[in-house]
Amino acid sequence: GENVEQHPSTLSVQEGDSAVIKCTYSDSASNYFPWYKQELGKRPQLIIDIRSNVGEKKDQRIAVTLNKTAKHFSLHITETQPEDSAVYFCAANPPGGGSNYKLTFGKGTLLTVNP
Amino acid sequence: ETGVTQTPRHLVMGMTNKKSLKCEQHLGHNAMYWYKQSAKKPLELMFVYNFKEQTENNSVPSRFSPECPNSSHLFLHLHTLQPEDSALYLCASSQDLRGAFFGQGTRLTVV
Repeated sequence: GENVEQHPSTLSVQEGDSAVIKCTYSDSASNYFPWYKQELGKRPQLIIDIRSNVGEKKDQRIAVTLNKTAKHFSLHITETQPEDSAVYFCAANPPGGGSNYKLTFGKGTLLTVNP
Repeated sequence: ETGVTQTPRHLVMGMTNKKSLKCEQHLGHNAMYWYKQSAKKPLELMFVYNFKEQTENNSVPSRFSPECPNSSHLFLHLHTLQPEDSALYLCASSQDLRGAFFGQGTRLTVV
């Protein structure tokens, strides 16, 4: 099955700096890569996603890049703010699930933005 | 809060008890999921339902029994659980491949 590795497990940055979280996946046929943000005591929330036919996607301060050849994808947050502090999860969806997800998640990255 | 609602939010049960977790989605999605979130482990997919039909059972022990009476409701029936089953159980829903939305979860403690 799919295996997703996520690094780093913790990341501390100063407000205004950029943060980058990286994930690798094992199944070259995986075709959908969402990123979720989970604040303490709250549900995971989808913040951005990318499909395998696209190399980069941006939404305001958040961007995701995908390198299918190397089987890795990254989350980039620019101009970080204290409210960006949370656990971020990457995931990969291998094919074969039809119209359903069979998301495999990384272990998460605890991002702390220091004021 | 609308979207995906889970009850109860917290549950403490003994190993011989039987309890059920409930999930309801108000998004008109056609697929629903159960995930388990344990400390220091990735989110683990347990079950997938599409149009009430179970399409995935990710090698989950039989002490966890899902039920999906319609496309808006999903249950997870629990019986004779073990302490290592203590975790946050998350329900999610999706419509085709347009992003999975999670509920707030049920924090389960098995004593």
